[in-house]
Amino acid sequence: AQSVTQPDIHITVSEGASLELRCNYSYGATPYLFWYVQSPGQGLQLLLKYFSGDTLVQGIKGFEAEFKRSQSSFNLRKPSVHWSDAAEYFCAVGADSGYALNFGKGTSLLVTP
Amino acid sequence: DTGVSQDPRHKITKRGQNVTFRCDPISEHNRLYWYRQTLGQGPEFLTYFQNEAQLEKSRLLSDRFSAERPKGSFSTLEIQRTEQGDSAMYLCASSFPGQVSHEQYFGPGTRLTVT
Repeated sequence: AQSVTQPDIHITVSEGASLELRCNYSYGATPYLFWYVQSPGQGLQLLLKYFSGDTLVQGIKGFEAEFKRSQSSFNLRKPSVHWSDAAEYFCAVGADSGYALNFGKGTSLLVTP
Repeated sequence: DTGVSQDPRHKITKRGQNVTFRCDPISEHNRLYWYRQTLGQGPEFLTYFQNEAQLEKSRLLSDRFSAERPKGSFSTLEIQRTEQGDSAMYLCASSFPGQVSHEQYFGPGTRLTVT
């Protein structure tokens, strides 16, 4: 069965600083990988996805992620964080049977002035 | 495209009562999913429909839970004899037919509090 690990529960960065959120997955084949963002009391918004092709994918709001098969990782990056990026970020992998998504526990991002 | 909508947004109920939530997917999306999210956790898959057929159910979906999508459009999730452990955010998502990437679009969720 597939699984997703987000090692960092909380991350604090200064506004304007760069950001990297870590995601590791366990999966037997080429996974379908996603990053979602959730603001307080809201649903999830898709930031970006990977399922084949170029391992560096661009998403919305200036985010990007790189798929590294050798490290089983799909880390999310942003070169300059804005205060509005403060939210909960979830990494997810497409299930190996059916269409369910398996989510990590999330990383809470705090942006300081 | 108005997005996935869910109703109600918040529900407070007493233990033992039945509750029903509604989800309206994005029009033309034939796949519909239900997830549950508890505090400090990521969403957990509950069940999935393709059109009106319920194709997959998680073992999290106990006998007290039932989901329907009678006409292949909106869906309902009913919880019978609610327990305090049912308190959570219930999220609905939909996806477009033919997508190989499992890309799902989520609604705002229904927050259930069982007292």
